[in-house]
Amino acid sequence: EAGVAQSPRYKIIEKRQSVAFWCNPISGHATLYWYQQILGQGPKLLIQFQNNGVVDDSQLPKDRFSAERLKGVDSTLKIQPAKLEDSAVYLCASSLFSSTVSTDTQYFGPGTRLTVL
Amino acid sequence: AQSVTQPDIHITVSEGASLELRCNYSYGATPYLFWYVQSPGQGLQLLLKYFSGDTLVQGIKGFEAEFKRSQSSFNLRKPSVHWSDAAEYFCAQMRWNSGGSNYKLTFGKGTLLTVNP
Repeated sequence: EAGVAQSPRYKIIEKRQSVAFWCNPISGHATLYWYQQILGQGPKLLIQFQNNGVVDDSQLPKDRFSAERLKGVDSTLKIQPAKLEDSAVYLCASSLFSSTVSTDTQYFGPGTRLTVL
Repeated sequence: AQSVTQPDIHITVSEGASLELRCNYSYGATPYLFWYVQSPGQGLQLLLKYFSGDTLVQGIKGFEAEFKRSQSSFNLRKPSVHWSDAAEYFCAQMRWNSGGSNYKLTFGKGTLLTVNP
């Protein structure tokens, strides 16, 4: 079974530029998550999709971050304009959503390491 | 507020020695707890999880964790560490997002494990 795919793996940009990340979840997984992991911290949820609908974007800085999952499969996360503090690893995860939490294991991709200069 | 605490930022052990990584959670009569491992340049891999039942949970790669409600702890253990275990380890707790419609995973800040030959 193929895992969660992400691209690019690394990205270096200057502040005020824009950047986009792509994620393809495990086939059949309805729920997709984007996390931000700042150096020395654990991952923090930015946004969660159930199929192509947003169920939680409470920690997404909406003035500069946006995300979409148009066909309920792959997803893109965009930052525009980027700030220095956006330097982090952006992780995508997916899960088979169920009303019972016991099946809601999240599987993570390798991440995209973003450096903002 | 819900939080997951990993008191040790960095631990160094010798190969073959036993290992215990500490984790404390702050919420829930029935917490849903996870341990993930992150190798350099890799995404997070699930080691084990606890939802209910036997308080000693077996995971992959020879790891186990013990849930202790009285101490609000979920410590990760391994009897004999291998050099390939060097990585960062994250404890996480999942709970239902009140007012929302999703389960939310909150991570600790991680413990970096170094293994000496």
